[in-house]
Formats: sequence, C-alpha cells, structure tokens
Amino acid sequence: AQSVTQLGSHVSVSEGALVLLRCNYSSSVPPYLFWYVQYPNQGLQLLLKYTSAATLVKGINGFEAEFKKSETSFHLTKPSAHMSDAAEYFCAVSPGDTGKLIFGQGTTLQVKP
Amino acid sequence: DTGVSQDPRHKITKRGQNVTFRCDPISEHNRLYWYRQTLGQGPEFLTYFQNEAQLEKSRLLSDRFSAERPKGSFSTLEIQRTEQGDSAMYLCASSSDGETQYFGPGTRLLVL
Repeated sequence: AQSVTQLGSHVSVSEGALVLLRCNYSSSVPPYLFWYVQYPNQGLQLLLKYTSAATLVKGINGFEAEFKKSETSFHLTKPSAHMSDAAEYFCAVSPGDTGKLIFGQGTTLQVKP
Repeated sequence: DTGVSQDPRHKITKRGQNVTFRCDPISEHNRLYWYRQTLGQGPEFLTYFQNEAQLEKSRLLSDRFSAERPKGSFSTLEIQRTEQGDSAMYLCASSSDGETQYFGPGTRLLVL
C-alpha cells in the first residue's frame, strides 16, 4: 500500500534562508508525487507534481522538488524563504488509475523576520 | 473558469442532525473527489466519481455518509445523524485527467 511520511511537523526558518521540507513515500509502482500548500481556512493549492518525466520538478512561487527513487524521497526546497511562504505543506502520492491522493500529515512552515 | 466551489463554507449543527454539502467542480472535469481533513492532519480520501458513477469509497465512509453526482456535474455529500467525530473540513477536488486535482475551499463542519 502506498503511504507518505513527512519528517518534521514544524519547520522554522528565517526570511531569506533555505527552505527544505522532507517527504518520503512508499509505493509498489512508479508513483505520481505532489506537493500542495494550504493557507489558513483555505483549500489546497498545487505547488508542483512529478509524473515520471524529469526528476527535478519546478513549481510555483520558486519551489522545486527532486524525485530520488533510490531514497524514495521527494523533498521540497526553496532557495530563499519569504514571509508569504508561511503555511501548511502537504506531500501526496497517487497510486494511479483513479487518481486519488494519499497525503502525509503535513509540515507547518514558519518564516521568521 | 471559476475553480471548484463548495457550499456552505461553514456549518454548525447539533449532534443527530443531517447535513448536506455541495461541490461544483471545474466545468468539464469528469472526475470528482471528496476528502476529509481533521485538525492537524492531512486530507483523507473519502470517495471518487467519474462522471456520475461512484467508483471508489473509502472504509472511512460509514453508512451514515452518502455521496451523489446525479448528472455528472455537481456533487453532494450527506451525513446523517451527525456525531461529534464528524467535525472536520470536507474538501472537494476535481480533475480532467486523473493526474492533477484542483481543490475547493472546503466546508468546515462543527458538530455540537
């Protein structure tokens, strides 16, 4: 069965610092992988997705993620954090076929001035 | 394209009452998904429609829950005899290709 583990429920960085949010997945088949962001009292917005093309995926707002099959990881990074990046981030895997998503528990990103 | 919309955005009800939520997907998206998100957790899959057919239901979807998508457009999620444990954010998403899902703003349910 597919699953997602996000390491670190809370991450705090200073404005301008590197952002690194960790995600490891378990999948018996080549997965589709996603990162979503959720601002308070809102739905989820897609940041980026991996669908077996390039292993380095660029998304919106300067975020990118690298698919590493050997490490079963899909970590999200951003070179320089901005105050507006403060939000909840979710990694998700899709087993395929139906397209339903299996989410990790989320990581809250705090950005300090 | 106005995105996925959900109504109501907030619902407060008393235990034992029935509630119904509506989701309007992006037009021409044939796939529609419902998820439930409790505080501090990631969303959990509830059910999935392709056009009007409900093709998958999670074990989380007890007999008190029912979902429909009668004409393959909007969908409703009904909870009968609500319990305090049903308090959560209910999210709807739609997709045209089963690959990328676009989420609505959610309906936050509080059962007193």
